[in-house]
Amino acid sequence: GNSVTQMEGPVTLSEEAFLTINCTYTATGYPSLFWYVQYPGEGLQLLLKATKADDKGSNKGFEATYRKETTSFHLEKGSVQVSDSAVYFCALRVTSYGKLTFGQGTILTVHP
Amino acid sequence: DTEVTQTPKHLVMGMTNKKSLKCEQHMGHRAMYWYKQKAKKPPELMFVYSYEKLSINESVPSRFSPECPNSSLLNLHLHALQPEDSALYLCASSQSGTGSEKLFFGSGTQLSVL
Repeated sequence: GNSVTQMEGPVTLSEEAFLTINCTYTATGYPSLFWYVQYPGEGLQLLLKATKADDKGSNKGFEATYRKETTSFHLEKGSVQVSDSAVYFCALRVTSYGKLTFGQGTILTVHP
Repeated sequence: DTEVTQTPKHLVMGMTNKKSLKCEQHMGHRAMYWYKQKAKKPPELMFVYSYEKLSINESVPSRFSPECPNSSLLNLHLHALQPEDSALYLCASSQSGTGSEKLFFGSGTQLSVL
């Protein structure tokens, strides 16, 4: 089956620190990979995505590269801000109309 | 308009009540989804509608009944719920349901069952 494993949180950083949230996956088929972010009291928003091996998704200073050889899609940001505090979900989807499979989520808290 | 609108934002109901959650989008999307999210957990897929037809039911109990009256609207009818059904219910939509598409999520309905 399909599954996503994220590093356990919570992750607590100071403003301007470097962020990495690890994500690895197992999938039957060739998945598209996503990072979604959920701010307190809100639904999920797509942060970035990649649809094939070696693609790099990027948005708002966040980046993740689809690594087929290591089945990974790690999220990175060079300098986090307090406003980046949220829950981050790595996810995959294999087929049309198929299930979006989420990781467990990583809580990020950034302090001034 | 790139929003998915859910109403109500909060709902408290007893186990004998009947209520409905509503979801609306005007982006012309043809795939719509219901997810359930417990606190500090990822969303769990409940139902998928594509072109107004139910395409996925993730073995959800019959006390949850989805309805898609037209391509812009998605309802979730609730009846005889249990306290363990208390959760955030998220609606989402996407253009046509293909695997690489972005899902647009609403802000959810926070449901409490007493």
